Amino acid sequence: NAGVMQNPRHLVRRRGQEARLRCSPMKGHSHVYWYRQLPEEGLKFMVYLQKENIIDESGMPKERFSAEFPKEGPSILRIQQVVRGDSAAYFCASSPQMGTEQYFGPGTRLTVT
Amino acid sequence: AQTVTQSQPEMSVQEAETVTLSCTYDTSESDYYLFWYKQPPSRQMILVIRQEAYKQQNATENRFSVNFQKAAKSFSLKISDSQLGDAAMYFCAYENNNDMRFGAGTRLTVKP
Repeated sequence: NAGVMQNPRHLVRRRGQEARLRCSPMKGHSHVYWYRQLPEEGLKFMVYLQKENIIDESGMPKERFSAEFPKEGPSILRIQQVVRGDSAAYFCASSPQMGTEQYFGPGTRLTVT
Repeated sequence: AQTVTQSQPEMSVQEAETVTLSCTYDTSESDYYLFWYKQPPSRQMILVIRQEAYKQQNATENRFSVNFQKAAKSFSLKISDSQLGDAAMYFCAYENNNDMRFGAGTRLTVKP
């Protein structure tokens, strides 16, 4: 059983471009969490999704950020019109049920130039 | 590859008692960082404690302390005088050279 996969592992974008981060949960997991780790800061919760539904997006910036977890395919975290402050490591985690263990992916490191 | 293992999916402790959460990791590096994060129902991650591998002294933060055994690659979290507010998921994490890995978490229940 492959673990949580994230791609790309490293992504470089110029200011104003769009960034798309993908997360494939573990097989059988229908719950996905996205977290952001800013330099010199801890891990911050962004959004929690179940298949086709956003359950909790309280940690996600209101502008430019969106997330989806379609019926088929990976979960996508989309950042439009990236700015330098978006440079961070973005982790996703998946779990089989709400409130149970979360298996983290290796993260995507986004650099905005 | 570095992996982090939390062997206890769930733990329970009586209020005011002490509980220890286990974490082991696998690495060939000698210099790295270890963390314990707490995730309450709000889902926001709270950094509980941080340990630098080159420091032999165990990190302590109020009621939270770690037992860092570098040779055994073990990093357990001890919570003393447990409080109801300590109930949460706890994640152990390893970081080396901007590469961060997490354990799957331990759900801690605190009984009044």
